[in-house]
Amino acid sequence: KNQVEQSPQSLIILEGKNCTLQCNYTVSPFSNLRWYKQDTGRGPVSLTIMTFSENTKSNGRYTATLDADTKQSSLHITASQLSDSASYICVVSVRDTPLVFGKGTRLSVIA
Amino acid sequence: DGGITQSPKYLFRKEGQNVTLSCEQNLNHDAMYWYRQDPGQGLRLIYYSQIVNDFQKGDIAEGYSVSREKKESFPLTVTSAQKNPTAFYLCASSIGWQGRTTDTQYFGPGTRLTVL
Repeated sequence: KNQVEQSPQSLIILEGKNCTLQCNYTVSPFSNLRWYKQDTGRGPVSLTIMTFSENTKSNGRYTATLDADTKQSSLHITASQLSDSASYICVVSVRDTPLVFGKGTRLSVIA
Repeated sequence: DGGITQSPKYLFRKEGQNVTLSCEQNLNHDAMYWYRQDPGQGLRLIYYSQIVNDFQKGDIAEGYSVSREKKESFPLTVTSAQKNPTAFYLCASSIGWQGRTTDTQYFGPGTRLTVL
């Protein structure tokens, strides 16, 4: 069964600090991996999309990594801001089937 | 101003009534999707449409119905057969179907449905 597991479930950090969110997946055949940011009560917004051949991709202060051999991805947030408080969702695309969504990591950035 | 709109933002329904959620996009995307989101769970796919006049069931289609008569519109009807309809509903679209492309999936702002 195709699955995406994210950790931690929730995280609290001080403003200005860095953090890393983890995503492990078991899918076949793998097509690509996506990270989304979802503010409370809003629709998710795409941060990055990585294919099998890409190891890292950045979007401003967000940097995603992908290790296709170990089937792991991480999202690193640098110099966090209060506006980074949101849920971060890891999503894996399986060829010719719908996307597989993780349950998300709830990040709270406090002053 | 391009994007995806969903209406209404909040919807209340009496048990046993059908209700239709609107989703419109002016991005000229071929593919559209409906998801359901419950607290502590990942998004679950209800229905998707790869192209106008065609749609397929997702993982949790029971109690729901859709139509895709126009490229820009993909309304979702929650019927009385849906046992637990209270949830946050998200509509999305992409240029091509995400099962074969890396196209970004754009989401609407969502509709929160509450059954009284």
